Order: sequence, then C-alpha cells, then structure tokens
Amino acid sequence: EPEVTQTPSHQVTQMGQEVILRCVPISNHLYFYWYRQILGQKVEFLVSFYNNEISEKSEIFDDQFSVERPDGSNFTLKIRSTKLEDSAMYFCASSVGDLSYNEQFFGPGTRLTVL
Amino acid sequence: GESVGLHLPTLSVQEGDNSIINCAYSNSASDYFIWYKQESGKGPQFIIDIRSNMDKRQGQRVTVLLNKTVKHLSLQIAATQPGDSAVYFCAVGDTGRRALTFGSGTRLQVQP
Repeated sequence: EPEVTQTPSHQVTQMGQEVILRCVPISNHLYFYWYRQILGQKVEFLVSFYNNEISEKSEIFDDQFSVERPDGSNFTLKIRSTKLEDSAMYFCASSVGDLSYNEQFFGPGTRLTVL
Repeated sequence: GESVGLHLPTLSVQEGDNSIINCAYSNSASDYFIWYKQESGKGPQFIIDIRSNMDKRQGQRVTVLLNKTVKHLSLQIAATQPGDSAVYFCAVGDTGRRALTFGSGTRLQVQP
C-alpha cells in the first residue's frame, strides 16, 4: 500500500540553525501539506501546496518557514532560524484532490528538537 | 476561528465492548469531518469521514454520527479490540479550504 514517508525521523538542532524536513508524498497525489504537533497539544495546520505554489497557510507559517518541491517526488519544509518553540512533531500529508472528497494521508512524522 | 474540542481525554473500555468517542465543533459552516487514529510514534491514520449532507456513515466496525444542530460528532467502534488502543482525533474541514482543524484527542484504552 502506498504511503507518505518522511526523513529524518528525529532531528536535533541548535537554536538559530536552519533545518530542512523532507517528505515523499504518495506518487499520484496532487496536494501536499505540513502540520505540526507540539508535545501534548493538537495537530496544527501549517501550509498546503498545489501546482508548485502555496495554496493556503496558517498564522504559524511565518517568514521563517518555506516549502518547496525541488523535484518530482520530494516535498520539503525549511525553517530558516529555529526557535525553541519550533520543537514539535512535523507531519507531512498528501491527498489526491480537493479536500472535501479526498482524505489526507499522513506520514509518520519528524520529531524536531531545538536546543 | 474554528475550535474543536473533545469531551473526554481518556476512555477505558473492556475488550469486546462498544466505544463511543465524542467531539464538538464550533463553526456551523464546517462541512467535512474526519476521524483519525494515532498510534504511538506514528502519524494520524484515516478512519472514516462524513460530509455535512449526511448524518451517519458506517465502515468496518466503525460508525460516525454527525449532529449539525448541536455541532457534535461521534465515533462508535463496535466490539473494541486491543489493537484499537490509540489516540483518536476528530478533524474538521471547510469546502474551499485545505486546512484541517484537529481536536485535542481522546486516548482509548482497551482492557483485556
């Protein structure tokens, strides 16, 4: 069964450093998403991406964040200068088509720890 | 903005019993509702969804009920098994938006 994959599973970084989280969405999916989950809190939407551009983003997704689809398979989330409060699980998701008619498949997540 | 809440943080049931997990949402314009299951160390796994033009939908051992009048959503799991032990999230979406708004989760513990 096709699945969303994410690397690394755990990333430890120093405050102020840049990190890139990587995702490989399911191959025939057209919409891609990033969510995060701070320990003990809700899963929160960050951004959605379609046709090589951001289609929607939340207030969390500020100028420190960026997303890219550098090739035909990878989807990345970059945090330019990490802060302590960026420590969280980051989930990538993908869906075939429009939200209302297609479920979002989630990857296993990357645990980001900012020291 | 949208807020989604769950009534109970932890639900403990006996194996074989039926489980009911509840969720309340606040935006009456929400029209897409999903239940996800999250096991330890894994991402959310889709269980079942329902759109606002329906009030009930059944899957394998699971049923989702939607009451738009009181903005309430529930997940029923029949004959709960140890493998059902996980955290269950409801999530809400609006047509035309990509974002899902998640609830805070209910931990289901199945006692053998």
